[in-house]
Amino acid sequence: EAGVTQFPSHSVIEKGQTVTLRCDPISGHDNLYWYRRVMGKEIKFLLHFVKESKQDESGMPNNRFLAERTGGTYSTLKVQPAELEDSGVYFCASSIIQGGLEAFFGQGTRLTVV
Amino acid sequence: AQSVTQPDIHITVSEGASLELRCNYSYGATPYLFWYVQSPGQGLQLLLKYFSGDTLVQGIKGFEAEFKRSQSSFNLRKPSVHWSDAAEYFCAVVKNTGFQKLVFGTGTRLLVSP
Repeated sequence: EAGVTQFPSHSVIEKGQTVTLRCDPISGHDNLYWYRRVMGKEIKFLLHFVKESKQDESGMPNNRFLAERTGGTYSTLKVQPAELEDSGVYFCASSIIQGGLEAFFGQGTRLTVV
Repeated sequence: AQSVTQPDIHITVSEGASLELRCNYSYGATPYLFWYVQSPGQGLQLLLKYFSGDTLVQGIKGFEAEFKRSQSSFNLRKPSVHWSDAAEYFCAVVKNTGFQKLVFGTGTRLLVSP
């Protein structure tokens, strides 16, 4: 069974540019989560999808971040325009049971904004 | 608000020695508790979890953790560390009611010396 897959694994962009991160959850997992870890800090929740609907986006930093999950399958997280403080590792996770229980994480996308 | 404290940023342990990683949480009720590990180039992998019942929980790779309600702690232990255990370890909690999202500690990086 394939795990949670994230693309790309690394991305280096200039300030002001746009970047789109992608997450393919485990097949059949209705719940999809995005988390972010800024250097040296804790991993923080960004948002949660149940199928294609946003259940909770309280962790999204600002309106430069847009997450979508069309069709309830893969999800994208777009940052536009990127700022230096957006650098970090973005994790995606999926689960069958709502609430993060038994959540399976991807390997993360390391985003560097220069 | 919930919080998780991992007081040790780095720990160095000799191969074969025992290991204990500390985790304290702040929450009014008993949350669901987790330990995750991130090895270099890998995603977050669930080591073990505590929901209820026996307060000593066995996980993968020979790890165990003990929930102590009186101390609000969930320390991770391993009797004999292997070089492959070098990684970053994260403690996390989830509320046991309502919508849950993982709240992580800042992580402890484990170095294993020969």
